[in-house]
Amino acid sequence: DVKVTQSSRYLVKRTGEKVFLECVQDMDHENMFWYRQDPGLGLRLIYFSYDVKMKEKGDIPEGYSVSREKKERFSLILESASTNQTSMYLCASSRGDRRAEPQHFGDGTRLSIL
Amino acid sequence: AQTVTQSQPEMSVQEAETVTLSCTYDTSESDYYLFWYKQPPSRQMILVIRQEAYKQQNATENRFSVNFQKAAKSFSLKISDSQLGDAAMYFCAYRGGSNYKLTFGKGTLLTVNP
Repeated sequence: DVKVTQSSRYLVKRTGEKVFLECVQDMDHENMFWYRQDPGLGLRLIYFSYDVKMKEKGDIPEGYSVSREKKERFSLILESASTNQTSMYLCASSRGDRRAEPQHFGDGTRLSIL
Repeated sequence: AQTVTQSQPEMSVQEAETVTLSCTYDTSESDYYLFWYKQPPSRQMILVIRQEAYKQQNATENRFSVNFQKAAKSFSLKISDSQLGDAAMYFCAYRGGSNYKLTFGKGTLLTVNP
């Protein structure tokens, strides 16, 4: 089975801090994704990456950046955390060579910015 | 831009009964994929069922089946013989044939009553 591991289940940070959320997948997937999930809004795509060092903005990239230095790892960075970034963050991965391939998700990180 | 609409924020069903969750989408593409994901209280999002738009036959996975109406842009999920473990948030998702991005609906919270 595909394993997508997010480094923290719960994280509390302060306004203005630089925050790193880490995600690792063990199935050699080309594609990796970061979403945020808010009640009543569903999942919204922040950034995705289809290859090492490649990234594309999703629907809500403002205030975030990403890094993919190795194929298995995709990091989400909050450059200067703000309270409106308090949310659940989900990482996902998928193969790049089959279009019907589903995305596989991690357990999520519930981030609180105080 | 593609949109996915789940018009039922909450649904409930009696154990062993059948329930149908609705999903509609808007797209100008002819090649695309549709997914239903389940997110139990433990939070990990898992794939329930997928449908390729070019296939006329409705997808089925054990107790889960879809009613895919391409002309109406409708993709409902039917859960037969509902079980307590089916209680979760269900998300409908769309993916265009030319990219890797998923667009999610806002979700339907399903409660299963014993």
